[in-house]
Amino acid sequence: SQQGEEDPQALSIQEGENATMNCSYKTSINNLQWYRQNSGRGLVHLILIRSNEREKHSGRLRVTLDTSKKSSSLLITASRAADTASYFCATQKNSGYSTLTFGKGTMLLVSP
Amino acid sequence: GAGVSQSPSNKVTEKGKDVELRCDPISGHTALYWYRQSLGQGLEFLIYFQGNSAPDKSGLPSDRFSAERTGGSVSTLTIQRTQQEDSAVYLCASSFDGSQPQHFGDGTRLSIL
Repeated sequence: SQQGEEDPQALSIQEGENATMNCSYKTSINNLQWYRQNSGRGLVHLILIRSNEREKHSGRLRVTLDTSKKSSSLLITASRAADTASYFCATQKNSGYSTLTFGKGTMLLVSP
Repeated sequence: GAGVSQSPSNKVTEKGKDVELRCDPISGHTALYWYRQSLGQGLEFLIYFQGNSAPDKSGLPSDRFSAERTGGSVSTLTIQRTQQEDSAVYLCASSFDGSQPQHFGDGTRLSIL
């Protein structure tokens, strides 16, 4: 079953604009991760945020986590055409090994 | 190699045939995972290896699916008596251990005619 649910399902913006994607989940988690998938390729890990963290930055990426609302957001600032891809959130219940449960993803299109 | 390598990249076969999909993880990564991705969907977990053992096989959809890992490295996912609903992209990932972010291969696109 899907743990994470992203919205919107699809997002179309112009280069230079910011893109915000949201993820909601159902059960308690140890961490939440965001991955990017270019068409026909595997997933690339972007950022991991732990349950005791509220915000994390990596380059043009900003991730927030609200455990009380069981939700996370991924903000991509000053988007580029190369950011066009599908973005997935994935949750992990425990530290150490536990299954990563993925949502269905948000398809982002950045037009030049 | 530097990344996770999967072969073949594409496989077309007839319903009822057996298929083998191969995954070569990043050197030194003890954890290996198989996922299935259907069109427009997220990833469905299939199986997890730690070393050569598979402590979590909970995602395998039926007994037609099996996987093994030898030498703590290469893994093979086997689907017997393939059905049309098995058509999907099969992704392999590895990580240094079970708690670290996963590195994915580009997948095998399996089409069952």
